[in-house]
Amino acid sequence: DGGITQSPKYLFRKEGQNVTLSCEQNLNHDAMYWYRQDPGQGLRLIYYSQIVNDFQKGDIAEGYSVSREKKESFPLTVTSAQKNPTAFYLCASTFSGQGYSGELFFGEGSRLTVL
Amino acid sequence: GENVEQHPSTLSVQEGDSAVIKCTYSDSASNYFPWYKQELGKGPQLIIDIRSNVGEKKDQRIAVTLNKTAKHFSLHITETQPEDSAVYFCAASFSGGGADGLTFGKGTHLIIQP
Repeated sequence: DGGITQSPKYLFRKEGQNVTLSCEQNLNHDAMYWYRQDPGQGLRLIYYSQIVNDFQKGDIAEGYSVSREKKESFPLTVTSAQKNPTAFYLCASTFSGQGYSGELFFGEGSRLTVL
Repeated sequence: GENVEQHPSTLSVQEGDSAVIKCTYSDSASNYFPWYKQELGKGPQLIIDIRSNVGEKKDQRIAVTLNKTAKHFSLHITETQPEDSAVYFCAASFSGGGADGLTFGKGTHLIIQP
């Protein structure tokens, strides 16, 4: 079945540690996104990538980093510079370019807790 | 940039009644307005969307209306059922589908009372 797989589902981290969240899709989508979800805050865009080896900052990129070495993969690193990293992180993907519908397909999310 | 306001933050309705969730957007260039449903512990899923060249769209018990002049759009759910209980997000995008991402509202927690 095609879809987006995020791992791990739950992650605990000590302050000062970097952590990397995995996002893999087999939908052959060009564009991939990372959103952060906090209670009562909706979904806020961290980074996005429309093509391999290229990515752009979203609204809240500070303290995060990404890479896009393969079309299928878009890992997110939460660095120790992120002041309040405890949140639910969602990865999404879609086709881009001519004729795409615009629908974002989301993974099941990763919940990061900093102890 | 785009800003999307969503109301109410929580909505409780009796099973079988209708539910309406409203959103306003700030950027008059936005032309794509999807609605997503998120069940507990899951990622959001698209339930309906509308583009700026259309005023209303229906899909069974769900409908979305768009007023470009007033810059607001609404989700209507009729004959609500227990499985409609979830968090609903509206969103807006300029690029016709969000190649640079969607701007989301803060969400509405819809509770269906038996």
